[in-house]
Amino acid sequence: DIQMTQSPHSLSASLGETVSIECLASEGISNYLAWYQQKPGKSPQLLIYYASSLQDGVPSRFSGSGSGTQYSLKISNMQPEDEGVYYCQQGYKYPNTFGAGTKLELK
Amino acid sequence: QVRLKESGPRLVQPSQTLSVTCTVSGFSVTSYHVSWVRQPPGKGLEWVGAIWKGGSTDYNSALKSRLSISRDTSKNQVFLKMNSLQTDDTGTYYCAKQGRGNYFDYWGQGVMVTVSS
Repeated sequence: DIQMTQSPHSLSASLGETVSIECLASEGISNYLAWYQQKPGKSPQLLIYYASSLQDGVPSRFSGSGSGTQYSLKISNMQPEDEGVYYCQQGYKYPNTFGAGTKLELK
Repeated sequence: QVRLKESGPRLVQPSQTLSVTCTVSGFSVTSYHVSWVRQPPGKGLEWVGAIWKGGSTDYNSALKSRLSISRDTSKNQVFLKMNSLQTDDTGTYYCAKQGRGNYFDYWGQGVMVTVSS
């Protein structure tokens, strides 16, 4: 199975700050990488797919980049509603696998 | 409008079988793949398995011997059955619609299942 290593495990950001979350795949995944946001008691919500495509309705302050085995999610201009846990997921090979998650809090 | 809704028991006894139904609206299960993803309390996400739009299935190898996913196309429903449940099967079970790149673009609200006697 492809292992997805996410970092950091947690971080806190001030209002308006820019943050980045990294995801490293154990082998190349050809940009089959998605990012999700999950808030407490809610189901995950798709933010980014194909590494850099923004899902409809997601604010443009979210962006994704990367290739090969290394990918990142950038959140510009941190807002209170951006608090939550973020997961990466590879869809290149089955089983689909997720990163362990990054908890983002407002400082 | 795309919607998925899981239904099933909240409490299952150890060694028993879990049965969860995912009722879909806004798309056909014959047009898109549907996956099951689970999440233990306070932990991360684990892909359980999927039923492809053509009707074939694929399972997480760690769960394959205990798992069955099927569907009723006339009712636009997908079913998850997992037998020989243990306490570490406790968690929220989600069904999710898959996009072309094997990402999950719509999720159900999830059903929290506790395995306990």
